Amino acid sequence: AQSVSQHNHHVILSEAASLELGCNYSYGGTVNLFWYVQYPGQHLQLLLKYFSGDPLVKGIKGFEAEFIKSKFSFNLRKPSVQWSDTAEYFCAVNLPSGTYKYIFGTGTRLKVLA
Amino acid sequence: NAGVTQTPKFQVLKTGQSMTLQCAQDMNHEYMSWYRQDPGMGLRLIHYSVGAGITDQGEVPNGYNVSRSTTEDFPLRLLSAAPSQTSVYFCASTSGTGGHGYTFGSGTRLTVV
Repeated sequence: AQSVSQHNHHVILSEAASLELGCNYSYGGTVNLFWYVQYPGQHLQLLLKYFSGDPLVKGIKGFEAEFIKSKFSFNLRKPSVQWSDTAEYFCAVNLPSGTYKYIFGTGTRLKVLA
Repeated sequence: NAGVTQTPKFQVLKTGQSMTLQCAQDMNHEYMSWYRQDPGMGLRLIHYSVGAGITDQGEVPNGYNVSRSTTEDFPLRLLSAAPSQTSVYFCASTSGTGGHGYTFGSGTRLTVV
């Protein structure tokens, strides 16, 4: 079955620490990949997306993600987190790419300690 | 500002009551959907629509109805509210072939007592 897995459910980091959140999907065809961020009490906002080309994509607020096709992964990274990055992060996969079908991961809650 | 507008932001219902959550978008998106968000379960698709007059069930449709009479509006109806429907509800829309990601509304926090 098609699925999206986020293995880290809760992550606690100190400011300036590096961040990597895992996202894996199960689907053999072409996909579009997304990371969304949800700040406390707010709606989901698009952080970055991958359609094709360079597998390393850069998003807003210093976030980046790398698509590794052989590993069916799209991990989110940030070299140095800030307190304001405290939020919940969702990975989403559009599969097959270009359709209306999206599957969301269960989310990772990130808490950054000042 | 263009986007997805949801009303109300908060609602408390008694068990058995009915209500409609409103969703409107002004981006001329064909695709609209309703999700519920529960702790530890991520986003689960309730119903979706690929255009006016066309709706279909998602992952967790029981207890909810939708209709799509116009491109802009996609209301979600709770027929007889139950405590299990306590959740945060998000409406989302997207355009074209659907590969560009969703635009989400600000959500409705619903409590059923």
